Amino acid sequence: GAVVSQHPSRVICKSGTSVKIECRSLDFQATTMFWYRQFPKKSLMLMATSNEGSKATYEQGVEKDKFLINHASLTLSTLTVTSAHPEDSSFYICSARKRHSYEQYFGPGTRLTVT
Amino acid sequence: ILNVEQSPQSLHVQEGDSTNFTCSFPSSNFYALHWYRWETAKSPEALFVMTLNGDEKKKGRISATLNTKEGYSYLYIKGSQPEDSATYLCARGEDKIIFGKGTRLHILP
Repeated sequence: GAVVSQHPSRVICKSGTSVKIECRSLDFQATTMFWYRQFPKKSLMLMATSNEGSKATYEQGVEKDKFLINHASLTLSTLTVTSAHPEDSSFYICSARKRHSYEQYFGPGTRLTVT
Repeated sequence: ILNVEQSPQSLHVQEGDSTNFTCSFPSSNFYALHWYRWETAKSPEALFVMTLNGDEKKKGRISATLNTKEGYSYLYIKGSQPEDSATYLCARGEDKIIFGKGTRLHILP
């Protein structure tokens, strides 16, 4: 158990367009989901934390109007990169956590390239 | 130590040899320490979550120890196999977890 899927795995888009990335917990209810970004040769950096049914909490320096996060159900969270620019090109990865658990279960990530 | 630091950054180990690597973290306000194994093109896989000073956990040939007072954890792999090749991530925290950059382990046949 504890499988998390992420879709798409890879996306290329043009500057100015928006891209939506989905994160799903397939066999458990995720009360909390996390979105991370990884720059080359850097650690996974937490962007935001979302709890089902409430607004996401963004980390310092992450623009909430740029990175829209929705956690509408206990199995789905989405990250929308709005008006994407080349500097948004990165690896985005989500994780999901069960209630009363420390463990986070990760999706396989999405490689976004903005041209 | 302000961040989570992992060393070495990269490691080559002969198949069959045992190895270990280190995670250092701020010891104040400690909640939990996580170890993940991340193989290329796959999801990071949770190995261990440790919360108590002196914790030792084991999963097959892999084990980990935790010292919260001095702020370090060791991950040990006994009798390395090719399938152990991966990046091993250490992370500290409860809700918000702070990751290290990882130790990239290459097992040489």
